[in-house]
Amino acid sequence: GAGVSQSPSNKVTEKGKDVELRCDPISGHTALYWYRQSLGQGLEFLIYFQGNSAPDKSGLPSDRFSAERTGGSVSTLTIQRTQQEDSAVYLCASSLAVPGNTIYFGEGSWLTVV
Amino acid sequence: AQTVTQSQPEMSVQEAETVTLSCTYDTSESDYYLFWYKQPPSRQMILVIRQEAYKQQNATENRFSVNFQKAAKSFSLKISDSQLGDAAMYFCAYRKSTKGAQKLVFGQGTRLTINP
Repeated sequence: GAGVSQSPSNKVTEKGKDVELRCDPISGHTALYWYRQSLGQGLEFLIYFQGNSAPDKSGLPSDRFSAERTGGSVSTLTIQRTQQEDSAVYLCASSLAVPGNTIYFGEGSWLTVV
Repeated sequence: AQTVTQSQPEMSVQEAETVTLSCTYDTSESDYYLFWYKQPPSRQMILVIRQEAYKQQNATENRFSVNFQKAAKSFSLKISDSQLGDAAMYFCAYRKSTKGAQKLVFGQGTRLTINP
C-alpha cells in the first residue's frame, strides 16, 4: 500500500479482555516495528521484525504482550488480559532493511482500557 | 544502551521567528544516524530531517537545519521562519548503522507552539 496502515484506529476495551492490533506495512518493506506511546510521552520500543530473522522482543513489557508477522507482511500485536496501564497509542512502522533508511510510521491505534 | 535526551518539554515561538530544539544522545558507536521526527495532532510521525554521523556537514531541508556536534553528542534542530503548521511534538531519534534495519531510540519529545 501507499503507507503503513493500522487498525483499529481506536479501541475501547474492558480490563481483563484480550485485544489485537493490526499493522499492514508498506509493500516491500522487510522490517516492521511496534512502538507504544503513552499520553504525552515519547515512543517506547516494543518489538521489531526483520525478514526471516528471529524478532527482537526486548521491548515487550510483560508476557501479556506478543506479536507475530505472517508471511513477512501483516503483523498483529496481541495484548492479553489488558490492564489500565496498557492504555496508549500503539504505533507501527516499517522500512527497508538498509542502515539509515527512513522508517515510516502509521497513524497508530489508540487503545483505552476501562 | 543508547539514550536520547530532549531537555525542553515545551517551546514556543512567534510566527516567522527562528527556534532551536535541543537534543543530546549517548552512544559508544562511531557510526550511526540521527533523525528529527514531527508528530502533529493527527499522531502521524513525519520525518523532518536526518543526519549521518560520518558526515561533518550539517543536514538542511528547506527551513529546517541541524547543528550536529559529534564530539559533544549534540544534535539540535533549527526551524527558520516558523509557520503555524510547524506546531507539533518534535522527537529526536538515534539509530545504529549496523547491517540490516535497526530500531529507532527516541527522546521524550518537545512540544512546539507557534504564536501568531
